[in-house]
Amino acid sequence: GAVVSQHPSRVICKSGTSVKIECRSLDFQATTMFWYRQFPKQSLMLMATSNEGSKATYEQGVEKDKFLINHASLTLSTLTVTSAHPEDSSFYICSARGAATYEQYFGPGTRLTVT
Amino acid sequence: AQSVTQLGSHVSVSEGALVLLRCNYSSSVPPYLFWYVQYPNQGLQLLLKYTTGATLVKGINGFEAEFKKSETSFHLTKPSAHMSDAAEYFCAVSDRTSGTYKYIFGTGTRLKVLA
Repeated sequence: GAVVSQHPSRVICKSGTSVKIECRSLDFQATTMFWYRQFPKQSLMLMATSNEGSKATYEQGVEKDKFLINHASLTLSTLTVTSAHPEDSSFYICSARGAATYEQYFGPGTRLTVT
Repeated sequence: AQSVTQLGSHVSVSEGALVLLRCNYSSSVPPYLFWYVQYPNQGLQLLLKYTTGATLVKGINGFEAEFKKSETSFHLTKPSAHMSDAAEYFCAVSDRTSGTYKYIFGTGTRLKVLA
């Protein structure tokens, strides 16, 4: 149980375009979802926390207008990178947590390359 | 504020030797602690976790960790390294004071196993 999926696993987009990444909890209701960013050979940095039906809470230094997060249902959150630039190229990982648990379950990640 | 320190960004051991990856944390309240492994271009896989109870925790693939409150440590060990253990390892603490139980990750330790 507690499976989280991400789609797509890899995406290449041109500079200036927007790209959407989906995160789904497949077998539980995720009241809270988290989005992380991981640069090569570095740790995971939390970008934002989203609760179902509420606006996301962004970490300091993360541009909320650039990284749009939607958590419209208990099984789906989306991250949209708007007007992407090469420096946005990274590995994006989502995680999800149910209401009655502290533990996060991680998705497999999405490799974004902006050309 | 909570923080996690992983001493040694790179650790090399010989196949069959003891693996010891260090993790220290700072927290004003007893934290939940986790160890994850990450293989290249993949998401995180939970090795083990500590919440309450027995301080020696056993995980998957022969790994274990001991929570030592007096030393604020949660070091990861494995008696005998396998080649397949070569990966990146992350220690994380769950922020129980935030309400969202967001994770704070250490900077990671890359384990290399020598034949």
